[in-house]
Amino acid sequence: KAGVTQTPRYLIKTRGQQVTLSCSPISGHRSVSWYQQTPGQGLQFLFEYFSETQRNKGNFPGRFSGRQFSNSRSEMNVSTLELGDSALYLCASRHGALYEQYFGPGTRLTVT
Amino acid sequence: KQEVTQIPAALSVPEGENLVLNCSFTDSAIYNLQWFRQDPGKGLTSLLLIQSSQREQTSGRLNASLDKSSGRSTLYIAASQPGDSATYLCAVMGGGSQGNLIFGKGTKLSVKP
Repeated sequence: KAGVTQTPRYLIKTRGQQVTLSCSPISGHRSVSWYQQTPGQGLQFLFEYFSETQRNKGNFPGRFSGRQFSNSRSEMNVSTLELGDSALYLCASRHGALYEQYFGPGTRLTVT
Repeated sequence: KQEVTQIPAALSVPEGENLVLNCSFTDSAIYNLQWFRQDPGKGLTSLLLIQSSQREQTSGRLNASLDKSSGRSTLYIAASQPGDSATYLCAVMGGGSQGNLIFGKGTKLSVKP
């Protein structure tokens, strides 16, 4: 089975712009979660989607949003980018609630 | 609020040594605990998943234990190799939030040839 894929792998944006990141889960996995990784804060949970519904949300401002499509693919959007949004954004998928989470390679976002 | 701590933050050992990485968490009400490995600039590779009802899991040279009551987990790596050099992350899935993994800051391991 193919693993979790994320596109694009690298992205450079300017403050104030918006960005959309994409994640394709492992085939058959209906849950997709997003995490932000920075050197200072480590890995922090953004949100989780299951069957096109947001099931859980972390402590991030409303500029961070997401959605999931009927084929389980997910997108994450960040509007009005700030310098502090520079990070590695990781997507993870799993088969069910208590199952192992599998991570993609991440999208490295740099905001200048 | 669940907090996960990993000690030490960094570890350097000679090749062939057996080593133990530690993880502690403040709230014992967890569904499971997962150990990951992260190479520089890369995503996370899942190593072992321990359900809350289990005491340990083994995969090759890796063995992870879980003591829920004391809020501790250890990852044992036998006969370390230079290829084991990476950052090892511990994450717990809490009882009230099924999708939410809470991570420690990791232990950066360097195995010298």
